[in-house]
Amino acid sequence: DARVTQTPRHKVTEMGQEVTMRCQPILGHNTVFWYRQTMMQGLELLAYFRNRAPLDDSGMPKDRFSAEMPDATLATLKIQPSEPRDSAVYFCASNLGGWEQYFGPGTRLTVT
Amino acid sequence: GQNIDQPTEMTATEGAIVQINCTYQTSGFNGLFWYQQHAGEAPTFLSYNVLDGLEEKGRFSSFLSRSKGYSYLLLKELQMKDSASYLCAVKDTRASGTYKYIFGTGTRLKVLA
Repeated sequence: DARVTQTPRHKVTEMGQEVTMRCQPILGHNTVFWYRQTMMQGLELLAYFRNRAPLDDSGMPKDRFSAEMPDATLATLKIQPSEPRDSAVYFCASNLGGWEQYFGPGTRLTVT
Repeated sequence: GQNIDQPTEMTATEGAIVQINCTYQTSGFNGLFWYQQHAGEAPTFLSYNVLDGLEEKGRFSSFLSRSKGYSYLLLKELQMKDSASYLCAVKDTRASGTYKYIFGTGTRLKVLA
């Protein structure tokens, strides 16, 4: 049963600290997405990669967020420095060929 | 601009039928998706429409009218486990060939016994 995995599942940190979230897409999927979900904004696309190349990161605050895909089995989203307004659930999703997306379980981030 | 609208909340009774509407405005429409998301869980795929008309999949059906920028998700024979948020998402393709998915804020459906 192929699934997208994400670590950590929960993260509580203090303002100013660095946060790194990791995602392992489904094997064979060539597109990986990072989303942020809050009650107010819903699900927002932060960035996505196809064949490991970044295609769009227009939804991401560039001064503090960075997304990378060091290899086909790992995508990372980093926040440095973190702020309370970054508190949200961060989802990774993957797909092949632009069809349905498969979402990971999410990382629930709380910045105090 | 790009915009997706759906009702915030709906309530229905077990065994009934409910229709969740979604209207959208995008410049490069290339398909509409519906996802289900239970509280505290990840969204899961329900349906996909790219051409006008109705797509049926068991108790769930989804309709699309591209000329009206309108879709609905129809849930029949409602069950308690259908209580969840339902997210409408549009695939928006640009001239460069890249695309992005734009999600609505979701409709929270509560099914009552």
